[in-house]
Amino acid sequence: EPEVTQTPSHQVTQMGQEVILRCVPISNHLYFYWYRQILGQKVEFLVSFYNNEISEKSEIFDDQFSVERPDGSNFTLKIRSTKLEDSAMYFCATAKLAGGSTDTQYFGPGTRLTVL
Amino acid sequence: AQSVTQLGSHVSVSEGALVLLRCNYSSSVPPYLFWYVQYPNQGLQLLLKYTSAATLVKGINGFEAEFKKSETSFHLTKPSAHMSDAAEYFCAVSAKYGNKLVFGAGTILRVKS
Repeated sequence: EPEVTQTPSHQVTQMGQEVILRCVPISNHLYFYWYRQILGQKVEFLVSFYNNEISEKSEIFDDQFSVERPDGSNFTLKIRSTKLEDSAMYFCATAKLAGGSTDTQYFGPGTRLTVL
Repeated sequence: AQSVTQLGSHVSVSEGALVLLRCNYSSSVPPYLFWYVQYPNQGLQLLLKYTSAATLVKGINGFEAEFKKSETSFHLTKPSAHMSDAAEYFCAVSAKYGNKLVFGAGTILRVKS
């Protein structure tokens, strides 16, 4: 069964450094999302991406964050200058267009980001 | 806007007993509702979803949920708990396809032998 994959599984970085989290969507999926889960807290929406542009973003997704699909396969989340509070599990999710019915979002296993 | 409330951050049941995890939602439009499960150190796996068809939805691993509009609820049940059901369960709501999921705080299910 096709799966969403994410790399790396764990990233440790120093505060102020840039990080790029990578996601490989399921091949026929067209909607892409990033969520994060700070330890002990809710899973929170960050951004959705469709047709090579951001569809929606949360207030968390400020100018320090960016997303792109650089090569038509990977979907990346970049944090330009990491802060301690960016430490979290970051989940990529993807969904396919399904006419008028809802799309199930399939989640990757996550990347645990630790900012020191 | 959408929101989800999961009553009970921790639920403990005996093996073989009924599992009931509660979820209430708020939505300004007809909702799409989901239950996801997260096993330790893993991602989120879809258990089941409600998409305005049948109000009783059956999912994987013997779980089911019933959409009750009058109660704005989407509680998750399983007749007989198994040790392997121990995990964290998240209820989520979405306004329409393609939209973001809004998650509840999660309920950790413990199954006692």
